[in-house]
Amino acid sequence: GAGVSQTPSNKVTEKGKYVELRCDPISGHTALYWYRQSLGQGPEFLIYFQGTGAADDSGLPNDRFFAVRPEGSVSTLKIQRTERGDSAVYLCASSLWGGRDTEAFFGQGTRLTVV
Amino acid sequence: GENVEQHPSTLSVQEGDSAVIKCTYSDSASNYFPWYKQELGKRPQLIIDIRSNVGEKKDQRIAVTLNKTAKHFSLHITETQPEDSAVYFCAANGPDSNYQLIWGAGTKLIIKP
Repeated sequence: GAGVSQTPSNKVTEKGKYVELRCDPISGHTALYWYRQSLGQGPEFLIYFQGTGAADDSGLPNDRFFAVRPEGSVSTLKIQRTERGDSAVYLCASSLWGGRDTEAFFGQGTRLTVV
Repeated sequence: GENVEQHPSTLSVQEGDSAVIKCTYSDSASNYFPWYKQELGKRPQLIIDIRSNVGEKKDQRIAVTLNKTAKHFSLHITETQPEDSAVYFCAANGPDSNYQLIWGAGTKLIIKP
């Protein structure tokens, strides 16, 4: 596709449930990032992939959060035992390569609501 | 680690006037400073970026200035139009060991007709 695609656009789940959020980056982009944006805040870094490997997962808040990118393209962010504090917009971004000064293109985000 | 502060949190200007948003950063190793525009419910979109080897960059009505010594950078929008209304975020890249962007808290820009 022309841009970064994220599905679903909205997800409502009950506290304690497991959710998966999907990101389809721009074709050919080797670097992929997950960010979380709470209302009225800037995005907060979660994890960065270079190819298939998680090169930096220092932003994952705890071990309930996990992300994979098995074939170096699509990525899935997985959240176990969801809590109300996990409610936020989860943004995915990709860039052509993982240079520190490379433009990142963002998806529309998945709005996660934990009730 | 890197910390980015952004001011003001809200800026209201008359249509046609200029708007200036300022950010400071803490890590002298940061060398990439993008500005993103985010309309309500939409994705952040890059509007301009600057790298540390230049002090100013301009693209039509938008310009960014960077002062490496003082560790601050600013976004300037001239001849503001209603479609400029949005939340603007500054960001800086993290230290050499990682590839994350550290974001400011955002500025809500309101263009008054």
